[in-house]
Formats: sequence, C-alpha cells, structure tokens
Amino acid sequence: KQEVTQIPAALSVPEGENLVLNCSFTDSAIYNLQWFRQDPGKGLTSLLLIQSSQREQTSGRLNASLDKSSGRSTLYIAASQPGDSATYLCAVSDNYGQNFVFGPGTRLSVLP
Amino acid sequence: DAGITQSPRHKVTETGTPVTLRCHQTENHRYMYWYRQDPGHGLRLIHYSYGVKDTDKGEVSDGYSVSRSKTEDFLLTLESATSSQTSVYFCAIRQGGSNEKLLFGSGTQLSVL
Repeated sequence: KQEVTQIPAALSVPEGENLVLNCSFTDSAIYNLQWFRQDPGKGLTSLLLIQSSQREQTSGRLNASLDKSSGRSTLYIAASQPGDSATYLCAVSDNYGQNFVFGPGTRLSVLP
Repeated sequence: DAGITQSPRHKVTETGTPVTLRCHQTENHRYMYWYRQDPGHGLRLIHYSYGVKDTDKGEVSDGYSVSRSKTEDFLLTLESATSSQTSVYFCAIRQGGSNEKLLFGSGTQLSVL
C-alpha cells in the first residue's frame, strides 16, 4: 500500500527566504506526482505536476523535483512571500494514473 | 475551481438520515473522485468513477455509495449518516490528455449530529 509522508509538518520562515518542502513515498511505481496548495477553508489548487519520466517542473518561483527511485520529491519556493502561507500537499498516482494518495501536508507560514 | 461545483456547501443533519452530495462538472472529464478530509488523516479516497455507470471503491468506502448516470454529475450518498462521517468532502476531476492534473471543488462541510 502506497504511503506518503511530508516533512516538516509545519514551517515558519521570514519573508524573502528560500525554502524546501519534502515529500516521500514508499512505492516507486507511480505515474505522476503533484503538488497542491490549500488555503484555510478552501479546496486544493494544483501547483505542479511531474510525470514519472520527468525530473523537475518549474512555475514562477516554484520548482518541484522528483527522484522516483528513491521515492522523494521536493518543492522549492524562492523568495517566499506572506501570500505563500498555506498548507502544501503532495500526491502520487498509481501506475495507471487513476488513484491518488495524498500526504498529510506541510503548513507554511511566511512572516512579514 | 473552474468547471466544478459542489452542492450543498454546508449541511447539518441527524444521525440515521440519508444524505446526498452532488458534484457537477462542465468539462466532460472522464475521471471523477470523492475524498474526505479529516484532521490527522489528511485526504482519503472514498469512491471514484471512470465513466458513466463505472465506479470503484476507494480506501474508506464503507457507509458510502456513489452514482454516475451522466458524465457531468457524480453523486455521493450516505445511506444512514453517522457522527464519524462528519467531515469535509471534496470532489475532484482528473484532466485528460497530457495535462492530468487533479482539479478540486470547493468542498462540502457536513456535520452529523
């Protein structure tokens, strides 16, 4: 059974810092990995999707990497801003791309 | 949350009553999902659908049933609600083609008293 963990569970940083969020998964037979953002009381917003054949994806100040063989992904946020404060979740899909298993999330606070 | 509507947004009900949550999409995507989100458990898959009348169970399907009679609608039914089903329920669709991102609805806060 696929299990996904995220470290740290919570993180508080001053504005302007670069930071890294970590995601680990136990079964490397995945189809893709996605990173999401969730604001309090809201649904999830997809940030980046990395196919199993890719090593990284970038969108603006966000960069996500994938090392499938070691079961790890990182989300790098450059020059953090207070508006980045949210919970960040990663999810991996099974080898058919049908089902998704989510990590518990990292709660990020960026202090002005 | 373009293209996905969940209804109702909030519902309070009593133990033992049936409850139906609706997810509506406007984009004709094949895959639709129902998740519940609880503190300490994260997001867990209840049921999913891969086409009209094609559904399958997820990790926490006991006490829930689903139906999909049209591409655009995916219904989640709690046959006899229990307090353990108090949760936030999210519907999601999987985009097709080369972009297979999951898009989520805004969620339904369900309280079972």
